[in-house]
Amino acid sequence: AQSVTQPDIHITVSEGASLELRCNYSYGATPYLFWYVQSPGQGLQLLLKYFSGDTLVQGIKGFEAEFKRSQSSFNLRKPSVHWSDAAEYFCAYSGGGADGLTFGKGTHLIIQP
Amino acid sequence: DSGVTQTPKHLITATGQRVTLRCSPRSGDLSVYWYQQSLDQGLQFLIQYYNGEERAKGNILERFSAQQFPDLHSELNLSSLELGDSALYFCASSVDGFTPAGELFFGEGSRLTVL
Repeated sequence: AQSVTQPDIHITVSEGASLELRCNYSYGATPYLFWYVQSPGQGLQLLLKYFSGDTLVQGIKGFEAEFKRSQSSFNLRKPSVHWSDAAEYFCAYSGGGADGLTFGKGTHLIIQP
Repeated sequence: DSGVTQTPKHLITATGQRVTLRCSPRSGDLSVYWYQQSLDQGLQFLIQYYNGEERAKGNILERFSAQQFPDLHSELNLSSLELGDSALYFCASSVDGFTPAGELFFGEGSRLTVL
């Protein structure tokens, strides 16, 4: 079965520091990968997605992610975090079928002043 | 604002009861997905409808059912409720029924508390 692993349940980063959130997946032939963000009391918002092509994808709010097929990873990065980035981040995977997305358990990002 | 509307936002009920959660997808979206989010299970895919027909089933209990109406809104019915059904239920919509297009637009969720 397809699975998505986010190894870090919580991450604490100082404001202005760089960020990397990890995501690993068990994949099919053509993985479609996504990062979503969930702010407290809100629904999920798409940050970025990878379908094919350039393995470095840019998203909203200054986020980027790099797809590495050899490592089955799709890590999310941001060069300098802001306090407003504090939220829950979900990596998600689709094998291209009609069964929605498979989500990781999420990483809770805490920003220290 | 994603354009997906879910009602009610909060619901408190007792064990054994039945509730209905409603979702209106984004204008033009034909597909509706239901997800359950709980602390222990994370985000679990329940069921998907496309243009009124069931397209895919995930970890949906037999006590739960859903449907999508001709106007494309969807309802998730939860019956014989148990304490463990307390969770945040999300609806998401997409343009078509296959996730290569991939982008799901999520509502803000309906928080169900079963006492």
